[in-house]
Amino acid sequence: EDQVTQSPEALRLQEGESSSLNCSYTVSGLRGLFWYRQDPGKGPEFLFTLYSAGEEKEKERLKATLTKKESFLHITAPKPEDSATYLCAVQAARRGGANSKLTFGKGITLSVRP
Amino acid sequence: DAGVIQSPRHEVTEMGQEVTLRCKPISGHNSLFWYRQTMMRGLELLIYFNNNVPIDDSGMPEDRFSAKMPNASFSTLKIQPSEPRDSAVYFCASSYQGAVNYGYTFGSGTRLTVV
Repeated sequence: EDQVTQSPEALRLQEGESSSLNCSYTVSGLRGLFWYRQDPGKGPEFLFTLYSAGEEKEKERLKATLTKKESFLHITAPKPEDSATYLCAVQAARRGGANSKLTFGKGITLSVRP
Repeated sequence: DAGVIQSPRHEVTEMGQEVTLRCKPISGHNSLFWYRQTMMRGLELLIYFNNNVPIDDSGMPEDRFSAKMPNASFSTLKIQPSEPRDSAVYFCASSYQGAVNYGYTFGSGTRLTVV
């Protein structure tokens, strides 16, 4: 069974204080690892997909990296508007490339103080 | 595109009543997913469809839950009878999954409260 564990559960940062969010996973053949952002009262919003160990992707102050067991979401010089819950999810490869579900972690709630 | 559209946004119902949640996926997407989110369990997949066909419903809690996708532009999730433990936020998501994996687009969710 695919599993995703995110840590810490909550993180409070001062504006400008860089940090990293961790996502550990077990999956039988990784098709993709996804990061989402969720604001209160809204659905998750897609950020990144990573496909293989060593891959990195960036968007503004966010950079996602991937190893064979973990992914990190690095936040550089965060601003209050980066406050949200960040969700990690994995998708397993299936025979013939068939579509399969995303398994989500419980998320990390990030608060950035001005 | 207006994105994934869910209705209603909020639903308050009494225990034992039937509840129907609705979803309109993004045009051109070939997969649709129903998730439930609670503080305790996070996001849990209930069921998903590929090309309108149910593929995996192992996450459906019990026979009180049913889902349909009669065409590519509409899906429903029904709970009958509803119970207080069904209170949660229910999300619908859609995606196009082919050679490139674009991830899911989620709707804004339906917050269900069963009293």
